[in-house]
Amino acid sequence: QSVLTQPPSVSAAPGQKVTISCSGNTSNIGNNYVSWYQQVPGAAPKLLIYDNYKRPSKIPDRFSGSKSGTSATLGITGLQSADEAHYYCGTWDSSLIAALFGGGTKLTVL
Amino acid sequence: QVHLQESGPGLVKPSQTLSLTCIVSGGSVSSDTNYWSWIRQHPGKGLEWIGQINHRGITIYNPSLKSRLNLSVDKSKNRLSLSLTSVTAADTAVYYCAGADILMGTNFSFDYWGQGTRVTVSS
Repeated sequence: QSVLTQPPSVSAAPGQKVTISCSGNTSNIGNNYVSWYQQVPGAAPKLLIYDNYKRPSKIPDRFSGSKSGTSATLGITGLQSADEAHYYCGTWDSSLIAALFGGGTKLTVL
Repeated sequence: QVHLQESGPGLVKPSQTLSLTCIVSGGSVSSDTNYWSWIRQHPGKGLEWIGQINHRGITIYNPSLKSRLNLSVDKSKNRLSLSLTSVTAADTAVYYCAGADILMGTNFSFDYWGQGTRVTVSS
């Protein structure tokens, strides 16, 4: 069981918006930056969001990130079938002295 | 663009040592702005951070693997290495090397990923 808690699955229709939550504590999310990754089946993860809300240059602005207290959220607007993937949050844990990932959320575009 | 390529044996017997390498191209393991991590993914499961090394060879290991793990960097060959001793079936996973550029994020936001190498521990 992961220290960072994500919902196992979310779903929405094409064109709609979805949010994925990542819950932690003061040792991890509460005092460290959060990143988000997309992993399509059979491929390596890809960085979507870093430093809580920043996007690498090639990531479209349909993807957004936010953080409040000990929770972080990934938002995806204008859903496309290509967005079907697993999404993981990640951060550093100052107590465990380890990088952590959430358990992952499977996004289904209906 | 930094490209990472892992390689390894594919199959390792229980109690033996797993050795993996990761060739870095388009970038340098000697860069003082890049930090290099190994991450694994058990079959059908999520991601597990294994450990990190920087250009000076300074390491941080996941406490759960620390007693069996050694990470190293070979500047002459621009490659990273992982050694995991006394493996069991629980070490069966896809192993990724990943790089973080602290000019864009922290040393734990992974900008670059290899394609991964599958390792099975079985007799």
